[in-house]
Amino acid sequence: SQQGEEDPQALSIQEGENATMNCSYKTSINNLQWYRQNSGRGLVHLILIRSNEREKHSGRLRVTLDTSKKSSSLLITASRAADTASYFCATDSVQGGSEKLVFGKGTKLTVNP
Amino acid sequence: DGGITQSPKYLFRKEGQNVTLSCEQNLNHDAMYWYRQDPGQGLRLIYYSQIVNDFQKGDIAEGYSVSREKKESFPLTVTSAQKNPTAFYLCASSLDRGRVGGYTFGSGTRLTVV
Repeated sequence: SQQGEEDPQALSIQEGENATMNCSYKTSINNLQWYRQNSGRGLVHLILIRSNEREKHSGRLRVTLDTSKKSSSLLITASRAADTASYFCATDSVQGGSEKLVFGKGTKLTVNP
Repeated sequence: DGGITQSPKYLFRKEGQNVTLSCEQNLNHDAMYWYRQDPGQGLRLIYYSQIVNDFQKGDIAEGYSVSREKKESFPLTVTSAQKNPTAFYLCASSLDRGRVGGYTFGSGTRLTVV
């Protein structure tokens, strides 16, 4: 069951630019999380935003959540080549009677030096 | 260092063979999960376990089996009934079902049918 859908599917920028990725979802959520995956590796948890929060910061990351539009965005400021990875949003919600974390298909970010 | 260890990193399976993927964590997390990732796709939940000796089917459990005899271990068996098992398998664990600190993932096992 697909819940979060990231947009764009792929993003290519120059080092120093900002990168914005969006996530839309369909049902009510408890929280929304963003993860990063380097090629061929596991996912790394970046940030969690609760349904009653609107914005959260962590270092160069800024996450916003608009529950009325069922959408979230992840902004990476002053990007670096090392930020090159796939970024996934995941929504924590009750589906089919049980609580689940459901991942989107991801945005592949390439930061060119 | 606390974390999740998945082994092996690469696994090759012959047609009709069962194989078992290992997942061990020393984070003292109660909940553990298995996901499957196909190229260009998100993660799909296979099985999850919130306490020892209990586990639940996820969205794509057919052809897979698990056990949770110890808190630290959650092995996944890919049976011959799984018709398209070639994929990247990720194990994860969480405290408080990931509501506070999110999930911690292992580095994955890439399974290929030969």
